[in-house]
Amino acid sequence: DQQVKQNSPSLSVQEGRISILNCDYTNSMFDYFLWYKKYPAEGPTFLISISSIKDKNEDGRFTVFLNKSAKHLSLHIVPSQPGDSAVYFCAAGDTGTASKLTFGTGTRLQVTL
Amino acid sequence: ETGVTQTPRHLVMGMTNKKSLKCEQHLGHNAMYWYKQSAKKPLELMFVYSLEERVENNSVPSRFSPECPNSSHLFLHLHTLQPEDSALYLCASSQEAGGANVLTFGAGSRLTVL
Repeated sequence: DQQVKQNSPSLSVQEGRISILNCDYTNSMFDYFLWYKKYPAEGPTFLISISSIKDKNEDGRFTVFLNKSAKHLSLHIVPSQPGDSAVYFCAAGDTGTASKLTFGTGTRLQVTL
Repeated sequence: ETGVTQTPRHLVMGMTNKKSLKCEQHLGHNAMYWYKQSAKKPLELMFVYSLEERVENNSVPSRFSPECPNSSHLFLHLHTLQPEDSALYLCASSQEAGGANVLTFGAGSRLTVL
């Protein structure tokens, strides 16, 4: 049973436009959420996180929104740049237990010129 | 070197071979992890070590044997693997094992089992 789901395996967005990547979770014990970005032949790198006490966290062009009632979070990238083309993983964890992040399957973002 | 370094980057082995994957972190972190990434599947946590002590074994078959000789090094010993074990194996570290800790990943070791 997948507790973290990224239902869109891929997304194509034009340069300069907004990219919106979505993630749904089922475990109500999750109280912190992270997005990782992965380029080919590299490991995932941390991008941005959000705690369940917030509904929004912003870092430059990247904003993560959390809707706890819907168990949904999204990552907005504005404006999208070609260098943003990568696979984006959503991850969720429960601070009450030992660190054990649960990851989604990833969404491949392609930013076109 | 900085960050998390994994060797080898690519490994091909037969089902009867014994090989090891190595991970080294230069971040002064206290926790280290092995993850498995198979095609079209989420990253799966295999093992967690905190201060060289294994704190999590996520129902991993015994043909995978981890070793953490110190807080900077982590090994994954491989023995009698199956073709379905072919995957990208990612090592990660974090400041501590509990709470909302950000993981720093290595580039991974791509394993092919023939």
